[in-house]
Amino acid sequence: NAGVTQTPKFQVLKTGQSMTLQCAQDMNHNSMYWYRQDPGMGLRLIYYSASEGTTDKGEVPNGYNVSRLNKREFSLRLESAAPSQTSVYFCASSEAPGQGTNEQFFGPGTRLTVL
Amino acid sequence: GIQVEQSPPDLILQEGANSTLRCNFSDSVNNLQWFHQNPWGQLINLFYIPSGTKQNGRLSATTVATERYSLLYISSSQTTDSGVYFCAVGETSGSRLTFGEGTQLTVNP
Repeated sequence: NAGVTQTPKFQVLKTGQSMTLQCAQDMNHNSMYWYRQDPGMGLRLIYYSASEGTTDKGEVPNGYNVSRLNKREFSLRLESAAPSQTSVYFCASSEAPGQGTNEQFFGPGTRLTVL
Repeated sequence: GIQVEQSPPDLILQEGANSTLRCNFSDSVNNLQWFHQNPWGQLINLFYIPSGTKQNGRLSATTVATERYSLLYISSSQTTDSGVYFCAVGETSGSRLTFGEGTQLTVNP
């Protein structure tokens, strides 16, 4: 059981470039999430997907798009990267609300620097 | 939205000491988790504890949901306990987590 995996681990972009962060989970969870963590702060929710086929905005969605590709995979896309998007990005998954616990499990993170 | 406050923001201990970290939240929750972020940035699940008390080795946690706070106890601290401890809560209306700003723990040998 790998849990939640993320690729890449590190990425450096120039302002205006685009990229997609990949996330996959093998725990058969219904819900998946993308968070960002800025230095000295807690994590903030960007987007989430309560179940396959649905996505919703979180606290800081501007500049990002997401795709729930299937039950296992949830990707985060930066269409035109900006220095303010320099951060560590974490993906997480959980069972759906009302189905067992909603404990979230996190991936190892992607460190993104935008120059 | 729900507010989460953690205290203290920083804590320095000698190896072997005990400590208590606190998390206050502003509304009813259906999820409360404690995490340890190690120096490599990895988030490690410590407890899923929306109410009640749990223990895992030297660590234990208590959540008093009616009074909107949770406590994390670390006993006989070790240098490997160093890192940032986060409390995160989920509101009854959804499953998203709101994180506190964390407690930076340093355990010196």
